[in-house]
Amino acid sequence: RKEVEQDPGPFNVPEGATVAFNCTYSNSASQSFFWYRQDCRKEPKLLMSVYSSGNEDGRFTAQLNRASQYISLLIRDSKLSDSATYLCVVNAGTGGFKTIFGAGTRLFVKA
Amino acid sequence: GAGVSQSPSNKVTEKGKDVELRCDPISGHTALYWYRQSLGQGLEFLIYFQGNSAPDKSGLPSDRFSAERTGGSVSTLTIQRTQQEDSAVYLCASSLGAVSGNTIYFGEGSWLTVV
Repeated sequence: RKEVEQDPGPFNVPEGATVAFNCTYSNSASQSFFWYRQDCRKEPKLLMSVYSSGNEDGRFTAQLNRASQYISLLIRDSKLSDSATYLCVVNAGTGGFKTIFGAGTRLFVKA
Repeated sequence: GAGVSQSPSNKVTEKGKDVELRCDPISGHTALYWYRQSLGQGLEFLIYFQGNSAPDKSGLPSDRFSAERTGGSVSTLTIQRTQQEDSAVYLCASSLGAVSGNTIYFGEGSWLTVV
């Protein structure tokens, strides 16, 4: 089992749609969580951190479920510019630092 | 500099040659990471540094790969006797420290093509 698993997609949605991505992680000792965005042939960039109580940044909402060991990202009112790959990132933080990137979920938003 | 800087941005090399990739992290960042990403694939962890030491080298794919960091700043990733399967983008990243919760910032990558 991979340490961080994501549905690779692709997700094809129309503009204005709401889309949700899930990510599961295997290390119950994981301490911090992030969503990164990667555009085609570009480097990954931080989209948002994920906090235990859930957090929102404009059209983006992130949730964490420690009991079930998954995190989610909800994008409301999708824009064409949201087309990208979304990477789930988990920090183990025990026995030495370790950051694990998921393989990513590809999103295409079409007009 | 303002961000993580990598050089060269593109490198085409012949099979069997050695290549050296350089990374200059964000000023003040003590943790530095190297990842590799093949076309259409996810990020593959190679190695990370805390200061000049490398607590985790588990991701280096073979003994042809080595990395060092001096002065707690610039790092070089060296690939000896390159093979075609080494073709990928090599991404360097840095963070304030190798502590859970610190954001990792990436450079634009060094695109390596082995012909």
